[in-house]
Amino acid sequence: AQSVTQLDSHVSVSEGTPVLLRCNYSSSYSPSLFWYVQHPNKGLQLLLKYTSAATLVKGINGFEAEFKKSETSFHLTKPSAHMSDAAEYFCVVSEPGNAGNMLTFGGGTRLMVKP
Amino acid sequence: EAGVAQSPRYKIIEKRQSVAFWCNPISGHATLYWYQQILGQGPKLLIQFQNNGVVDDSQLPKDRFSAERLKGVDSTLKIQPAKLEDSAVYLCASSSRSRFDNSPLHFGNGTRLTVT
Repeated sequence: AQSVTQLDSHVSVSEGTPVLLRCNYSSSYSPSLFWYVQHPNKGLQLLLKYTSAATLVKGINGFEAEFKKSETSFHLTKPSAHMSDAAEYFCVVSEPGNAGNMLTFGGGTRLMVKP
Repeated sequence: EAGVAQSPRYKIIEKRQSVAFWCNPISGHATLYWYQQILGQGPKLLIQFQNNGVVDDSQLPKDRFSAERLKGVDSTLKIQPAKLEDSAVYLCASSSRSRFDNSPLHFGNGTRLTVT
């Protein structure tokens, strides 16, 4: 069975400072991993995905994430936060199941950006 | 391309009433998902369709929830009768993925349901 733990429910940073959103997973297989962002009253938008190619994955809006198998982590980072980055972020793991690939969402991390 | 369309955006009903949500996926996407997102939590899968067939409905409360995708295009999710704990955002997503690939999901803006 797979699971995803987002280690911080809330993260607050100042504009222009680095962002780190932490995600740990457990999986019986070599999983695929995703980060999605959700702005208020909006659906989820894909930021980036890891599917067993390069372990450092670059996404949209300057975000990137590094897959570390030994640590079962897939942390999301950005060098410099912007006010528009304030949103909810979800880490997602995908692995094969009987009915096809099964997606499991983490509980989410709310990122707040202070001016 | 047009995104995933959902309606209505907001719905307020009393407990024990019924409600229906509609979703039109991105054209050509074979896979359609309904998720329930309770405030402060991540989305939880309710049901997954591949074309007009159900792939996974293991977490759908079938005594009150039903969903259909009769022609393999748009879909309807119904709750009858609603309970207070059904208050949530209902998200529809679609994907071009087959059952075992990892194409990303495209989400609609959701329907926010409040049950009073």
